[in-house]
Amino acid sequence: EVQLLESGGGLVQPGGSLRLSCAASGFTFSSFAMSWVRQAPGKGLEWVSGISGNGGSTSYAESVKGRFTISRDKSENTLYMQMSSLRAEDTAVYYCAKDRRYNYGYEIDYWGQGTLVTVSS
Amino acid sequence: QSVLTQPASVSGSPGQSITISCIGTSSDVGGYNYVSWYQQHPGKAPKLLIYDVIDRPSGVSNRFTGSKSGNTASLTISGLQAEDEADYYCSSYTRRTTGVFGTGTKVTVL
Repeated sequence: EVQLLESGGGLVQPGGSLRLSCAASGFTFSSFAMSWVRQAPGKGLEWVSGISGNGGSTSYAESVKGRFTISRDKSENTLYMQMSSLRAEDTAVYYCAKDRRYNYGYEIDYWGQGTLVTVSS
Repeated sequence: QSVLTQPASVSGSPGQSITISCIGTSSDVGGYNYVSWYQQHPGKAPKLLIYDVIDRPSGVSNRFTGSKSGNTASLTISGLQAEDEADYYCSSYTRRTTGVFGTGTKVTVL
């Protein structure tokens, strides 16, 4: 059974940093791309970032480019998102997601339960 | 970043069929057969309903059908049931190799 368990969310001040983690199990981690998708309160889904199966290719939404860094650790079966220079508009539930293919941008077949990030003073 | 356009809301009575549209461009929906659809109930994570325009993952009801014509993709829900009341999002592969979601559609079962 595929499981994705996010952690690291919380309250952070504007301009601050936070690192999200996602522990994956139930599938061959390095064979699939992984993504982060966020959802601001009462709003729709927004794709944030993706990373290929071997971590060699990454991509970011324009809204987070230069501030967020996605990475993955094959030995720990864990996905990360380092977030810096956080803004109020980054407030959202962040979902860790498993892509159905080796490369990102196609479709997501499993989602974590989400972790809430609140940026506020 | 491009966004796929969906109607804000669609409603129907139990047993009826409804269709949700997803309008993109030749750089996403129209250019690739990689459209997917997701269902999201309040407070829950999204669930994959359709991928590759028309395919359903194992376990998804055959009441959900996907299609595409030009730059517009569609999701049809037939035999509408109370449990289908949820938000629905489309997504497509894009030429820019980033992910993109639709604006979302709230389905109400009358």
